[in-house]
Amino acid sequence: EVQLVESGGGLVQPGGSLRLSCAASGFIVSSNYMSWVRQAPGKGLEWVSVIYSGGSTYYADSVKGQFTISRDNSKNTLYLQMNSLRAEDTAVYYCARGRPSGFDIWGQGTMVTVSS
Amino acid sequence: DIQMTQSPSSLSASVGDRVTITCRASQGITNYLAWYQQKPGKVPKLLIYAASTLQSGVPSRFSGSGSGTDFTLTISSLQPEDVATYYCQKYNSAPFTFGPGTKVDIK
Repeated sequence: EVQLVESGGGLVQPGGSLRLSCAASGFIVSSNYMSWVRQAPGKGLEWVSVIYSGGSTYYADSVKGQFTISRDNSKNTLYLQMNSLRAEDTAVYYCARGRPSGFDIWGQGTMVTVSS
Repeated sequence: DIQMTQSPSSLSASVGDRVTITCRASQGITNYLAWYQQKPGKVPKLLIYAASTLQSGVPSRFSGSGSGTDFTLTISSLQPEDVATYYCQKYNSAPFTFGPGTKVDIK
């Protein structure tokens, strides 16, 4: 079965760090472009970052220099390293598979809460 | 960067009504436009890609049209299970910006 399973969310203090993981099954992460999308409570979807099959990465302006996307091909897993976290980073974080048809597979999401 | 807008931000319609949602890109994106449905408390689901191609398993009452900067999502006959927020997204190149969403409910 093709699926994505996120983990690593939780409560973190402002200024702290967190690393999210997204384990894929049923397809190869490195053969696709993979993205992180977040959704603050009661708000819309916000695209965060992408890593292409070739390894190129891009970030939303709101997280540039703060977040780092990466993958471990041996584990077929996508990551998002989040540093210097702020209250406005509080959101559900989804990983998603990108195709020529858009984001066709989404994980169930992992909640990140930044609060003291 | 290209900005995405949607209208209306919310709508209320009766079961069986035809519903149309509009999405506009600030610059041309040819047909690299996707629509997603997000039901309350659920994960977003891809409905339509390439502006007008229905994703496998999506009911035929959903349709999309448009090219360049102006796009529409139409539900030909609204059903109770269509209560959700609908988002458009450009995916020609990063940043893969989403529209702000349109919340649809039943009158």
